[in-house]
Amino acid sequence: QVQLVQSGPEVRKPGASVKVSCKASGYIFNTYGISWVRQVPGQGLEWVGWISDYNGHTKYAEKLQGRVTMTTDTSTSTAYMELRGLRSDDTAVYYCTRDRNYFDFWGQGTLVTVSS
Amino acid sequence: QSALTQPASMSGSPGQSITISCAGASSDIGGYDLVSWYQQHPGKVPKLIIYNVKKRPSGVSVRYSASRSANTASLTISGLQPDDEADYYCCSYAGGGTWVFGGGTKLTVL
Repeated sequence: QVQLVQSGPEVRKPGASVKVSCKASGYIFNTYGISWVRQVPGQGLEWVGWISDYNGHTKYAEKLQGRVTMTTDTSTSTAYMELRGLRSDDTAVYYCTRDRNYFDFWGQGTLVTVSS
Repeated sequence: QSALTQPASMSGSPGQSITISCAGASSDIGGYDLVSWYQQHPGKVPKLIIYNVKKRPSGVSVRYSASRSANTASLTISGLQPDDEADYYCCSYAGGGTWVFGGGTKLTVL
C-alpha cells in the first residue's frame, strides 16, 4: 500500500533553517511528483510547492520563493523540503503528498515550530 | 495567488443534503479540469474525496458528488451522517505549475 512517512517534529529559532523528509513506499517513486502543503494550526491548507518525479524540476509558491528548496533522492525514494530564514508565521504542519494533479496520498505531517 | 472562496461554515441535519461552493476565476477553476476536494477531520490528515472536478476515488461514498459551473465548483453531500462533520477544502490548478486551495468550510452535522 502507498505510504508517505515524514520525519518528526522540529523546533527552530527565527532565522534558522529546517529540512523535512518524506519517504515513499508502495509505488514506483519516480512515476509521480511530490507536492508539499502546509497548515498553520487552526487554519487552512496552503500549497507550498512541487517537485517533479523524473527530472527534479520544481515549482514553488510565490510567497516562499527564495526561501524554500525541494529535492529528492530516488535511491531511497525520499523527498525533502528545506525552508530557510524561518519566521514565526512559518509555524505549521507540513505535509508531503503524492501529486497526480490531485493529492491522493498524504504523509502524516511534520509540525515545524518557529519560536525564540 | 489568492485563495479560492468557500463559506467558512455550514450546517445540516442528518439525512439532509448540503452543497459547499468554491469560487475562483477563469485562471484557476474555470480554466482547467483539475479541481479536487479534501475532507479533514480534526487532528487528522486531509483525505481526497473528489478529483478532476467530479470523479470519486475508489472507496469514497457515492453520497459525495461534485460539479463545476464557470468559475465556481461545488461539492454536494447527500444523506448527511454524523461522520461527515469535518472541514472541507477545494483545490484547483492555477496555471504555471501552481495550485491554490480554498479557505475551507467547517461542516457541522446538527
